[in-house]
Amino acid sequence: SQQGEEDPQALSIQEGENATMNCSYKTSINNLQWYRQNSGRGLVHLILIRSNEREKHSGRLRVTLDTSKKSSSLLITASRAADTASYFCATDYNTDKLIFGTGTRLQVFP
Amino acid sequence: EPEVTQTPSHQVTQMGQEVILRCVPISNHLYFYWYRQILGQKVEFLVSFYNNEISEKSEIFDDQFSVERPDGSNFTLKIRSTKLEDSAMYFCADLGQGNTEAFFGQGTRLTVV
Repeated sequence: SQQGEEDPQALSIQEGENATMNCSYKTSINNLQWYRQNSGRGLVHLILIRSNEREKHSGRLRVTLDTSKKSSSLLITASRAADTASYFCATDYNTDKLIFGTGTRLQVFP
Repeated sequence: EPEVTQTPSHQVTQMGQEVILRCVPISNHLYFYWYRQILGQKVEFLVSFYNNEISEKSEIFDDQFSVERPDGSNFTLKIRSTKLEDSAMYFCADLGQGNTEAFFGQGTRLTVV
């Protein structure tokens, strides 16, 4: 299976703390994307990082990519209760489709 | 902002019945996808569609499934004879040309009883 793995599977933090989620993948990629999913809802695109990029920022989000280790991390700084959701990484594996990781369930307590 | 629209948002069907899930992709996008997510589980690739034909399908996408773009705009997923294990959220997604993000619809929650 090409599916990536994410860790941790679940993460609970207090508001104001930073949340870090990690994603590992199997083979070479063109890009890696992070998505957010509120319970029972659709997938919302957060950020895309290309294989020749090492870091990207978007607001309170910071994504890193280490192609030598085949891993990526998503950092959410100064978390809020509204950040409570599941977070998925997805990779293209040099194809036209996305393969999703197993996801991290983030709970932010007020 | 452009968006992918899926209908219905929720469908309940009896086992053995046929269902058609509908998606209106973003108009100038080229690649279309269906994904499935069983409750609380991973998002699984079903099928990709490009240039009016299937370009790739997963092992989940068996003979009970089919996709069509009947009128050049809507994109449908048909499940011919539903099983209990087909109960899931079904997401339509599309992709423009180049190295870009995929846009997902809000999903159709299919419940087979």
